[in-house]
Parts: sequence; C-alpha cells; structure tokens
Amino acid sequence: DGGITQSPKYLFRKEGQNVTLSCEQNLNHDAMYWYRQDPGQGLRLIYYSQIVNDFQKGDIAEGYSVSREKKESFPLTVTSAQKNPTAFYLCASSPRTGGTGELFFGEGSRLTVL
Amino acid sequence: DQQVKQNSPSLSVQEGRISILNCDYTNSMFDYFLWYKKYPAEGPTFLISISSIKDKNEDGRFTVFLNKSAKHLSLHIVPSQPGDSAVYFCAASGLSNFGNEKLTFGTGTRLTIIP
Repeated sequence: DGGITQSPKYLFRKEGQNVTLSCEQNLNHDAMYWYRQDPGQGLRLIYYSQIVNDFQKGDIAEGYSVSREKKESFPLTVTSAQKNPTAFYLCASSPRTGGTGELFFGEGSRLTVL
Repeated sequence: DQQVKQNSPSLSVQEGRISILNCDYTNSMFDYFLWYKKYPAEGPTFLISISSIKDKNEDGRFTVFLNKSAKHLSLHIVPSQPGDSAVYFCAASGLSNFGNEKLTFGTGTRLTIIP
C-alpha cells in the first residue's frame, strides 16, 4: 500500500542527545514536510523540501536539521540545540507545488526528552 | 502572528445534529482552504477543501462555506455521527517567503459527538 511511514512511533531521549526521526514515502511525491504539534498550538512547519537535494526552513527550524538525498526519504534530526524538543512530530508529502495544498501525513512520532 | 485561527478549542454536539466548526484568517492572499481531521496519536487526514474563488463545497455529510469579505470559513457536518469525534484543523494554502506553496494550520477544535 502507498503511504508515509514514520519511525519510531515513540522515542525517549536524554537531554543533550541528538535524535533522528525517519520518514519514508512510496507515493512518488516531490515535496515533503516536517511539522511539530504542541497542545493548543496546532501544527507548525519545521522544514520542507520541494525536490531532492534541496530544502527550506519553515517557521520553527532552529535546533533541527534535515536532509533530502533521496526522493522517498526526508529524515529530521532534533539536535541538542532545540530547547523544548518534547512534542509530536508529523511528516507529510504532497505530489507537487501549485496545487490545492493537500498534504498526506504519516502516523507521527512522539518524542519525549527525559 | 496567527494567520489562521480557530477560536473554539472544543465543541460538543448531539448525535444526528449539525456540527459547525469555524475558522478565521487574516491573509487575503490564501488561495485554498482545507479541513483536516485528526485522531489521537495519528496523523491528520484530509477531509475537504475549497478554492478561494468559490463560496461553498459539498462532499457527502461535509460542507465547507467560505466568506471572503469576513475572512471566515466554516465546516458543517450533518448529520453528526460518533465517528466524527476528533480534532479538526483548518488550514490555508498560500505562497511562502520563498515563493513556494505552504500550509498554515489553525490550532484545532476538538469535536465530541454525544450519543
């Protein structure tokens, strides 16, 4: 089945450690996105990529890094510089830009910093 | 700067009645508006959208209304069913500072359908 797979679903990290969240899609979509969800704040855009080997900062990119070496993969690294990393992280993809803006989301990864 | 606002964090509706979820926006350059539905610990799923050149779009039990002069849109669900209980996000599509399309989400409304 086509879709977006995020892993791990739950992750615990000690303060000062970097952690990488995986996002893989087999929808052949060009664009991929990372969002963060916090209670009462909706979804906020961290990074997005419109094409392989290119990505742009979103609204809250500080303390995060990404790569887009393959069309189907867009991993997100939460670095120790992120001051409040505990959140629910969502990866999404879309077939093209200039459309309706519809995104297809993965199941999410919940990161907890101990 | 919250460009998309959902002022009601929660809403409870009796099963079979109409649910009305509201959303306001500030940026008149948005060209599409979307509604997403989200269950706990899952990713949002697309529900319905509307182009900024239309004022109504209907899909089964779901209808979205757009009032551009008031910068307001609403989602109507009728009749409401227990499976509709979820968090609903309003989103608006527009150009980012880099000239690419991006979605801006509201903070969500938790809808509870009472049997």
